[in-house]
Amino acid sequence: LAKTTQPISMDSYEGQEVNITCSHNNIATNDYITWYQQFPSQGPRFIIQGYKTKVTNEVASLFIPADRKSSTLSLPRVSLSDTAVYYCLVGGEGATNKLIFGTGTLLAVQP
Amino acid sequence: NAGVTQTPKFQVLKTGQSMTLQCAQDMNHNSMYWYRQDPGMGLRLIYYSASEGTTDKGEVPNGYNVSRLNKREFSLRLESAAPSQTSVYFCASSTGDGIDGYTFGSGTRLTVV
Repeated sequence: LAKTTQPISMDSYEGQEVNITCSHNNIATNDYITWYQQFPSQGPRFIIQGYKTKVTNEVASLFIPADRKSSTLSLPRVSLSDTAVYYCLVGGEGATNKLIFGTGTLLAVQP
Repeated sequence: NAGVTQTPKFQVLKTGQSMTLQCAQDMNHNSMYWYRQDPGMGLRLIYYSASEGTTDKGEVPNGYNVSRLNKREFSLRLESAAPSQTSVYFCASSTGDGIDGYTFGSGTRLTVV
């Protein structure tokens, strides 16, 4: 399973764009890259998933370079309610599809 | 609403007691998972079931057993609870093909005294 590395914490202010980068040097050919958001006392929530290039939904964008050894979650114009822990995971189909969570990135958004 | 339902939401056990945490999903997902999360830490995989009828150990299986009762239900049992098992337990499910990620339940907060 691919191991991921991401910053432990980040600070931002309301209205700014936040980019959280995750490295996954050992990503396998059939692995997807998935990001989750977790608020205190809640289970993680799926945000976005991608395989290569760029993916955008109503919440975030995910940028994946050609070598797929890293990915960047971009949150446009964050608000206080975006304060949460963000996890980057890689995993794919089959018996090894048991995604391993790291400690995530604690994003603190200030007024 | 469709999703993953966990029961109970809170539980206090005495050391040595046993209990079963229940999890059910109504999304017709093939794979189900049990994680634990300790304060200030990420989630650690306890056991998973890639499909109905199969179960496998995750990162921290010691002290736990699981049963994939049918496609919908995946239970986690603590045979003899220990204070080190005080944690928040999350159940999750997925299609199993790596697409669209996991859907998590709201968690069970377990305290062992």
